[in-house]
Amino acid sequence: RKEVEQDPGPFNVPEGATVAFNCTYSNSASQSFFWYRQDCRKEPKLLMSVYSSGNEDGRFTAQLNRASQYISLLIRDSKLSDSATYLCVVNTVDSSYKLIFGSGTRLLVRP
Amino acid sequence: SAVISQKPSRDICQRGTSLTIQCQVDSQVTMMFWYRQQPGQSLTLIATANQGSEATYESGFVIDKFPISRPNLTFSTLTVSNMSPEDSSIYLCSVTPGLGYEQYFGPGTRLTVT
Repeated sequence: RKEVEQDPGPFNVPEGATVAFNCTYSNSASQSFFWYRQDCRKEPKLLMSVYSSGNEDGRFTAQLNRASQYISLLIRDSKLSDSATYLCVVNTVDSSYKLIFGSGTRLLVRP
Repeated sequence: SAVISQKPSRDICQRGTSLTIQCQVDSQVTMMFWYRQQPGQSLTLIATANQGSEATYESGFVIDKFPISRPNLTFSTLTVSNMSPEDSSIYLCSVTPGLGYEQYFGPGTRLTVT
C-alpha cells in the first residue's frame, strides 16, 4: 500500500463548479498535512496546510479526518486558473522533516 | 517563505558526463532537500543535504552517483555523475525555513541526457 494515495483523475469540470479531492495516508502517527499545487512544467507550490479543525482560504477548504486517515480539498467556484495537479503531502514520522508526496490529482477546468 | 534559485534552469548533457546543480536561498534555512521528478511522476526524495556533514540518502540513491554539498545554511549543490539517459528528469531543491514541516521549492533544473 502506498503511504499517500490519491485518485490521479483527471477531474474535468466546468467553470464555477465545486470539486473535491480526497487523499488517504497509511501512517496514523503522521502529524502534518499539506496540499500543494503544481502547474505544468513548474515546481510544486504550497497551497495550504491542513489542520485538525479544518481550514479555509478563500475558495479552498481543507479537512482532515484522523480516524479514517484521509484528507480532503474542496474547491468552490472553480476558475480556469485552478487547472493544475494537486499533491497531497504528509510528513514522515521519524522526525527527519521529510515529506511524502502523493502522485497528484489532475484538475482541468473548462470554459 | 524563502526565495530559492537554481542553476542551471535546464541543460542537455552527453552520456557519461557530470552536471552540478546549484541551489541558493535568500535566507538561512534549517533543512535543504533534493528531489527528482520524472515525466508524469510525482516527486522522489534523493537526499537531505546536511550543513557541515554528509548528506542523508534515500533508498536507491548513493553518494557516488549523486554527491551533495552544503557548505552553509543558504547554499547546496547536487551533482549527477556519469549520466545516462535514465537520469533525464527535473531536479528540484526544497527548503524548510523554520520549525514547521512546510517545504518551499526552487524552480527546478530540467536535465536531458543524450
